[in-house]
Amino acid sequence: GAVVSQHPSWVICKSGTSVKIECRSLDFQATTMFWYRQFPKQSLMLMATSNEGSKATYEQGVEKDKFLINHASLTLSTLTVTSAHPEDSSFYICSAPPGTRATNEQFFGPGTRLTVL
Amino acid sequence: GQSLEQPSEVTAVEGAIVQINCTYQTSGFYGLSWYQQHDGGAPTFLSYNGLDGLEETGRFSSFLSRSDSYGYLLLQELQMKDSASYFCAVGYQKVTFGTGTKLQVIP
Repeated sequence: GAVVSQHPSWVICKSGTSVKIECRSLDFQATTMFWYRQFPKQSLMLMATSNEGSKATYEQGVEKDKFLINHASLTLSTLTVTSAHPEDSSFYICSAPPGTRATNEQFFGPGTRLTVL
Repeated sequence: GQSLEQPSEVTAVEGAIVQINCTYQTSGFYGLSWYQQHDGGAPTFLSYNGLDGLEETGRFSSFLSRSDSYGYLLLQELQMKDSASYFCAVGYQKVTFGTGTKLQVIP
């Protein structure tokens, strides 16, 4: 099946620093990837759609200048949390659709746990 | 906008059957999916209903009624490892998840 990896799996940083999270599709190409955020005991909330070779599209309420997304190749999307603050502490997960319409299945990365001190 | 409502928690006994309901309101509908997520893990796809009716995959079954904007996930022969959160979801590629149901399986 389709495999999506994320790096790092967890990161702790100081308030005010920036953190980059990578999302890779390992055995398929993904022109589109999606970034989600999940706070404890809550559902996954879509943050943005990462488009290869073009600008990302952000969901309402998500600050595009704070959450920078770059999709430079067909297998890699990065999310940079700029000037992170404690309220940005969350579980960040990326996903990529493998292109099949039959089941609507999405493949998710293992997630990145961000803790901002 | 889109919203999907689920019960927040369900507890069931090992070996039993449990049903997790999902009611939704969406603009544009491409079917209902179900995902399982263990604590600290990523969601994994369980099933998809594009049309009304029941889909069966091993111990898991999922049902959809588009006229009622309703679906459910049925888990049979519950095992301790089934303790997890379960999310219904809508959307093609760009997915909106339900509120989630935390299932606890007890001995």
